[in-house]
Amino acid sequence: QKEVEQDPGPLSVPEGAIVSLNCTYSNSAFQYFMWYRQYSRKGPELLMYTYSSGNKEDGRFTAQVDKSSKYISLFIRDSQPSDSATYLCAMRGSNYKLTFGKGTLLTVNP
Amino acid sequence: DSGVTQTPKHLITATGQRVTLRCSPRSGDLSVYWYQQSLDQGLQFLIQYYNGEERAKGNILERFSAQQFPDLHSELNLSSLELGDSALYFCASSESTSGRPRGQFFGPGTRLTVL
Repeated sequence: QKEVEQDPGPLSVPEGAIVSLNCTYSNSAFQYFMWYRQYSRKGPELLMYTYSSGNKEDGRFTAQVDKSSKYISLFIRDSQPSDSATYLCAMRGSNYKLTFGKGTLLTVNP
Repeated sequence: DSGVTQTPKHLITATGQRVTLRCSPRSGDLSVYWYQQSLDQGLQFLIQYYNGEERAKGNILERFSAQQFPDLHSELNLSSLELGDSALYFCASSESTSGRPRGQFFGPGTRLTVL
């Protein structure tokens, strides 16, 4: 079993839709959880960083962590065509090595 | 712009050759990380340096090595290159270990093509 599982998609939604992206993990040592956005051939851009279970909101983005279920989510409200990208979940324990999901390719259609 | 710079943007070389990738972290960041991204493997952690010292190692081949210099820039050396080494190589940096860390910030990457 891989440490981090992420549905690769692709996911296609109309503009204005609510998008839900998810990852599951198996390593109980993971304490810090991140979501990155990566446009084609660009470096990953940090979107959200969470430490504890619960929700964290930043503009149209909400990150949710459920440590008991080893499940994290990213919600995008009022999705825009500019949100079209690959979304990567990442997580780590007490060391600084990040373990990434394979990424979900999202397309928001105007 | 994350503040992390990487050079060169593209590199095309032949099998058996040696190349050096360079990274400058964000101002004030002491940690530098190297990652390899390929279509089949995704983003894989290679190695971390903190203030000039190796801190953690991931799936880094023996043909690859890295170092971090006193001015905190880092270089990743790839030798005896094989076709399978063709990938995007990213550098990331993060704040010092004091206080609660807030994630790693990635550079634009170096695209390596081995022919």
